[in-house]
Amino acid sequence: NAGVTQTPKFRILKIGQSMTLQCTQDMNHNYMYWYRQDPGMGLKLIYYSVGAGITDKGEVPNGYNVSRSTTEDFPLRLELAAPSQTSVYFCASCITSGYNEQFFGPGTRLTVL
Amino acid sequence: GENVEQHPSTLSVQEGDSAVIKCTYSDSASNYFPWYKQELGKGPQLIIDIRSNVGEKKDQRIAVTLNKTAKHFSLHITETQPEDSAVYFCAAPGTDKLIFGTGTRLQVFP
Repeated sequence: NAGVTQTPKFRILKIGQSMTLQCTQDMNHNYMYWYRQDPGMGLKLIYYSVGAGITDKGEVPNGYNVSRSTTEDFPLRLELAAPSQTSVYFCASCITSGYNEQFFGPGTRLTVL
Repeated sequence: GENVEQHPSTLSVQEGDSAVIKCTYSDSASNYFPWYKQELGKGPQLIIDIRSNVGEKKDQRIAVTLNKTAKHFSLHITETQPEDSAVYFCAAPGTDKLIFGTGTRLQVFP
């Protein structure tokens, strides 16, 4: 049971480039989340999904897109990267709702120069 | 919607002393309050949670207390050790998600 896996671990992008951060969970969880964490700061919710085919915006969705075609995968797409998107990105999953443990991945450290 | 405030933002204690982190929430209907620990370079991990049908829960050196009347809950760590050094987040339930506090950086000095 690998839990929540994220790839890549590190990435450097140039301004204007695009990339996809991958997130996969093998726990058959319905709910998945993307957070960003700026240095020394807390967790900000970007997007979340309550099941395959359903996605919803969090508090900081601008500049990002997501899709959820399967239960296992929840990729985060960055279009036209900007320095303000330099951050650590965490994916998380839980079986249902806000009343159960969220399992976090190890994170992707992204730098936009 | 739910709003969670967490204090202090940083906390330094001597090894062996106790540490207390406090959170307040706004939605009186909330009934689940987890605490996450984030070690350096890792994702947050659940360490303890409490549901509103109890006022206190303990797990070895950590405990969480809940005061529903005052709408606040606290994390207590006793006999702190260097490995307790980390960032701690409290949370409360929102619609289909958790609302996290802003975090407390705990440093335990030997």
